[in-house]
Amino acid sequence: DTEVTQTPKHLVMGMTNKKSLKCEQHMGHRAMYWYKQKAKKPPELMFVYSYEKLSINESVPSRFSPECPNSSLLNLHLHALQPEDSALYLCASSEIIAAIGELFFGEGSRLTVL
Amino acid sequence: DAKTTQPPSMDCAEGRAANLPCNHSTISGNEYVYWYRQIHSQGPQYIIHGLKNNETNEMASLIITEDRKSSTLILPHATLRDTAVYYCIVRLNYGGSQGNLIFGKGTKLSVKP
Repeated sequence: DTEVTQTPKHLVMGMTNKKSLKCEQHMGHRAMYWYKQKAKKPPELMFVYSYEKLSINESVPSRFSPECPNSSLLNLHLHALQPEDSALYLCASSEIIAAIGELFFGEGSRLTVL
Repeated sequence: DAKTTQPPSMDCAEGRAANLPCNHSTISGNEYVYWYRQIHSQGPQYIIHGLKNNETNEMASLIITEDRKSSTLILPHATLRDTAVYYCIVRLNYGGSQGNLIFGKGTKLSVKP
């Protein structure tokens, strides 16, 4: 199984809602990543987890709250988002942080904030 | 900031080789060159990576110049399904921000019948 599974594929939420994005991998990878991609732009790194601990936060606003409850699961909790937060949110994993070789990406969760 | 420069777009005829250039003139000795592609509305897909030597796999070949200041990704027989944005990325192989995958603007490759 070389898949990174993201749910939901599409999410529409209001600015006062609380929602979560979920990412799962069963490759035994110990590094997991969240990227944000706006339309027609490259992916931007948001968070990096290594062995279930937050390793890197690229100055992401606190309305985005990541969580890594176990080595296979990565969540992104969303609260009080703004319309400009509408984007494709991509999850990725690798064997260890900054490992030589492939980062495996999921298909993304497309978020629309109304 | 991305450390690579790529042309914003390229066209290629179906069945012909697609040669995608990348400049990375400030690359350091322990930075690898990675290539990913992203087909519309999908997650990025790993293609190939290399340090100094040329590399080949089932998808593509990576040619790195001797001074390592530039590289070329070669898709030997492009198909319509190869239409995508191709990202050339340099990264270190250890922790910290420099070890993470930082995407530049990429090249939009259009394969035409």
